[in-house]
Amino acid sequence: TQLLEQSPQFLSIQEGENLTVYCNSSSVFSSLQWYRQEPGEGPVLLVTVVTGGEVKKLKRLTFQFGDARKDSSLHITAAQTGDTGLYLCALRIQGAQKLVFGQGTRLTINP
Amino acid sequence: KAGVTQTPRYLIKTRGQQVTLSCSPISGHRSVSWYQQTPGQGLQFLFEYFSETQRNKGNFPGRFSGRQFSNSRSEMNVSTLELGDSALYLCASSSYRGSRGYTFGSGTRLTVV
Repeated sequence: TQLLEQSPQFLSIQEGENLTVYCNSSSVFSSLQWYRQEPGEGPVLLVTVVTGGEVKKLKRLTFQFGDARKDSSLHITAAQTGDTGLYLCALRIQGAQKLVFGQGTRLTINP
Repeated sequence: KAGVTQTPRYLIKTRGQQVTLSCSPISGHRSVSWYQQTPGQGLQFLFEYFSETQRNKGNFPGRFSGRQFSNSRSEMNVSTLELGDSALYLCASSSYRGSRGYTFGSGTRLTVV
């Protein structure tokens, strides 16, 4: 059983459309990190959300942390081909100093 | 500043052989973690090193080992390679053991034939 469930697993849309991907858990977590990974590269940290209800914006990307701190979403406005990649949410396990990743959402933006 | 450097980028090995992968963290980062990424299992934690000591280990067999040197550079070793060890091996460094996020290298793509 995955600690973090991401949905959808795959998403393919046209440039200019909006989209939302989700990261859910049955457990409460203290903070959540979102990463983007491009083919042939390692994941790159986009944002860390810490407070329940928190909203963070990174240009056209909006990250939300659920009030109960059991879910998070990433919304992309007016998607561009450069947004193509694997989007991963990750939970930092504090005592073990490790990240537990969701399976990821593979996003393809078509021109 | 320079990012996390992993060498080599690609490796092809035969079953039964062993392999050593190298990771140079960002200057000043003392924590180095290793992850295995496969299409079926996704990203899974292998181990973390801090100040030359292994602090945490994931659920992998003893064939997977590592070490960290006094300059924070780290190596991981896999002995008696199996086909299932084919994966992208990622190294991540952190200055505060992850509390401010991790910086990943580009990985080493290992193929076992």
